[in-house]
Amino acid sequence: NAGVMQNPRHLVRRRGQEARLRCSPMKGHSHVYWYRQLPEEGLKFMVYLQKENIIDESGMPKERFSAEFPKEGPSILRIQQVVRGDSAAYFCASSPMALGEQYFGPGTRLTVT
Amino acid sequence: QKEVEQDPGPLSVPEGAIVSLNCTYSNSAFQYFMWYRQYSRKGPELLMYTYSSGNKEDGRFTAQVDKSSKYISLFIRDSQPSDSATYLCAIPPPGGSEKLVFGKGTKLTVNP
Repeated sequence: NAGVMQNPRHLVRRRGQEARLRCSPMKGHSHVYWYRQLPEEGLKFMVYLQKENIIDESGMPKERFSAEFPKEGPSILRIQQVVRGDSAAYFCASSPMALGEQYFGPGTRLTVT
Repeated sequence: QKEVEQDPGPLSVPEGAIVSLNCTYSNSAFQYFMWYRQYSRKGPELLMYTYSSGNKEDGRFTAQVDKSSKYISLFIRDSQPSDSATYLCAIPPPGGSEKLVFGKGTKLTVNP
């Protein structure tokens, strides 16, 4: 059983461009979480999704950031008009049930130049 | 006051030493406590999951919770170079929230 997959592993974007980060949860998992890890900071929760629904987006910045988890395909974290402060490691986790153990992917390291 | 505080270290110990990693938390309503291990450039992996006060042991790892002091600890016995990683405490907020609140992590190096 493959683990949580994230791609790309590394992404470089210039200021003002869009970044799309993809997450494929473990097989059988329908709950997806996105976290951000800034340099020298701990992991910060961003958003929790189930298939086709955003359940909790209390950690998402109000502007430029959006997330989706369609019926088919991976979950997508989208950052529009990236700024240098968006440079961070973005981790996706999945779980088979609500309040279940969260299994993390390897992360996408976003660098904004 | 932050919800979860953790000394970032770094912590360097010789192989075979007993390692003590700690976190404090502010909300007495927290009930579940987790420890994650994160190797460099990897995602976190769950090590230990505890609910009540007291100790929980798993091999060389022991998780301890003191709810009266709002203090959690992870002990590693007979530490190995392969234990070198960043250790993060994580707490789900009360009320059934799915989001985990993480400490900043303590970077541990075990020297052979």
